[in-house]
Amino acid sequence: GAVVSQHPSRVICKSGTSVKIECRSLDFQATTMFWYRQFPKQSLMLMATSNEGSKATYEQGVEKDKFLINHASLTLSTLTVTSAHPEDSSFYICSARSGVGGETQYFGPGTRLLVL
Amino acid sequence: RKEVEQDPGPFNVPEGATVAFNCTYSNSASQSFFWYRQDCRKEPKLLMSVYSSGNEDGRFTAQLNRASQYISLLIRDSKLSDSATYLCSGGYNKLIFGAGTRLAVHP
Repeated sequence: GAVVSQHPSRVICKSGTSVKIECRSLDFQATTMFWYRQFPKQSLMLMATSNEGSKATYEQGVEKDKFLINHASLTLSTLTVTSAHPEDSSFYICSARSGVGGETQYFGPGTRLLVL
Repeated sequence: RKEVEQDPGPFNVPEGATVAFNCTYSNSASQSFFWYRQDCRKEPKLLMSVYSSGNEDGRFTAQLNRASQYISLLIRDSKLSDSATYLCSGGYNKLIFGAGTRLAVHP
């Protein structure tokens, strides 16, 4: 399958700081990338859909000013958690879809965020 | 009602057993369906796509029933390494995931 990387894999930060997470498709061009969040023992929750060169579409209940998404190229999308708080601690996972071959999404390895 | 629903399990089965998971979806506009496998503290890995005609990959068989809006996954001859959480997903333009069904295969 296609390869998607995420960086960093783990981050610990103080409350009030901003954290940027990068998602890259390494061997294909991703017309669409998705950002998910997963709390322990819970489902993957879609946060937003990002298309290259346009504004992200956020799911209901997700604050777009808090979770800034940029998809500047066909291989890179970034999620910035602004003014992070302990309740933002979670497993953030991106996925990428090439647009060729249907809806198959390939996931990055995820980023564990711990806000102290 | 959740858009994609699964029995959370856990399903505890002995090696060699056959186990079936079902999943229902509420959005009739959904076009694409997949089963993913997620190991503890890891990202989901694509297991297989799901088609109305049914598809098989080794010990795994997936089926889609559009009329009843459910998806199934059958695992034959379970292995210890099959222990994981199985996520079903479906959608149109974006995938919505179920909460996952935990499978534990024991010796």
